[in-house]
Formats: sequence, structure tokens, C-alpha cells
Amino acid sequence: DTGVSQDPRHKITKRGQNVTFRCDPISEHNRLYWYRQTLGQGPEFLTYFQNEAQLEKSRLLSDRFSAERPKGSFSTLEIQRTEQGDSAMYLCASSLPQGQGNEQFFGPGTRLTVL
Amino acid sequence: GEDVEQSLFLSVREGDSSVINCTYTDSSSTYLYWYKQEPGAGLQLLTYIFSNMDMKQDQRLTVLLNKKDKHLSLRIADTQTGDSAIYFCAYGPSSGGYNKLIFGAGTRLAVHP
Repeated sequence: DTGVSQDPRHKITKRGQNVTFRCDPISEHNRLYWYRQTLGQGPEFLTYFQNEAQLEKSRLLSDRFSAERPKGSFSTLEIQRTEQGDSAMYLCASSLPQGQGNEQFFGPGTRLTVL
Repeated sequence: GEDVEQSLFLSVREGDSSVINCTYTDSSSTYLYWYKQEPGAGLQLLTYIFSNMDMKQDQRLTVLLNKKDKHLSLRIADTQTGDSAIYFCAYGPSSGGYNKLIFGAGTRLAVHP
């Protein structure tokens, strides 16, 4: 399978714990995005990387959230001191350098439940 | 501002056409997209349209864009039970350098026999 993959698919944690999610983009895609989706809503943009550089961060990304893409390939999203409001689906997407279509292809998501 | 509005629910009979509508606020967007999401899954890109186009057809899917009214629609011909899903309209706002996508809340399509 050459699509975007995410790990884990599901994560249940207790409030106050730290969690880390991984995203592996499509191999030739140099752009990588993180979105968050809560129940009944569309995805909301969190942050975006071009290669290893984090070029944009949403105001939704509080200081408890940090994302990295150290070698310009896979990315991690860490949430520190999780809160119940962090419960959501975290989606990763990747795309080729901006050109025709700028199509973003999404992974299956990581569903986070904070108890 | 950056906003996308969609009707929340649509029910159609199998074999009929479905039309899902969307309005957006950013007139400078370059591309507009339709994504499909099945239960518990990620988003599948269905199609997109460039803002200088009025219509795009791709097999059973037809996208219509009225740029003046900032209205986008997705028509699914011969709707099948496998088309039951949530459909999201999205665009890349100029304020985001056309990188991030702004999504609507999604339209849940239910197909019944």
C-alpha cells in the first residue's frame, strides 16, 4: 500500500498523559499536513510541513502540541498533558509540491480518546 | 473570513441522482475539492475543480462552480448504496497560501432502496 499511513489507529489515554502519533506520507510527497476532526465536524487545519520545515501553525495548536518532521519524511504529533477536549480524530495528509490541483491525500487517522 | 457551509443531511433513493451543495466565502481560492468519508475512515479525495472552470465531469460525478455566488455542487448520477457516506466540500484560502484546506461540516448522504 503506497498511501498515507498513520499509527496507532486508536489511542485511549488518561487525562494528563502524553501521547505521540506518527504519520508516514506518500513517499514522493514533500508536503505534510496535520488536521483534527471532532464528531460531526469537518477537519480543522493544525500545521503544515514542507520537507522538514514547519511553515504554518494554526492557533488551534496550543503549546501542549508539538509536531516534527526531522528528516522530511515521516512526522510525529505529540500532545502533552492531554485534556478531555483533545479527544478527536487526528488526520495526516500529504501532497506534492504545489502545482496542478494541490491535491491532499489523507491517511486513515488516529482516534484519540482521553478519559 | 474563511467559512464553508453545507446542508447536513441528504436522503435519496438508489438509482436517483444526488446533489450536494456548498457555499464558501473566500473568492480568491484557486481550487475547490470534494472529499468522501466513510464511517471510521479517513478522507478520500473524489474530485477537484479549478476556480476558472464552471464544470468538471468525472464518470458519475459532476462538479458545478458558480464563482459569482461562491456556490459549489457535487452531483452523483445513479446513486448506489456504496455512495452512502459523509461528503465534505473544501477549499484552499489565499490567506493560507493555498496550502491548508478549509472544510465544511459535511453532508451525510443516505441511500435507500
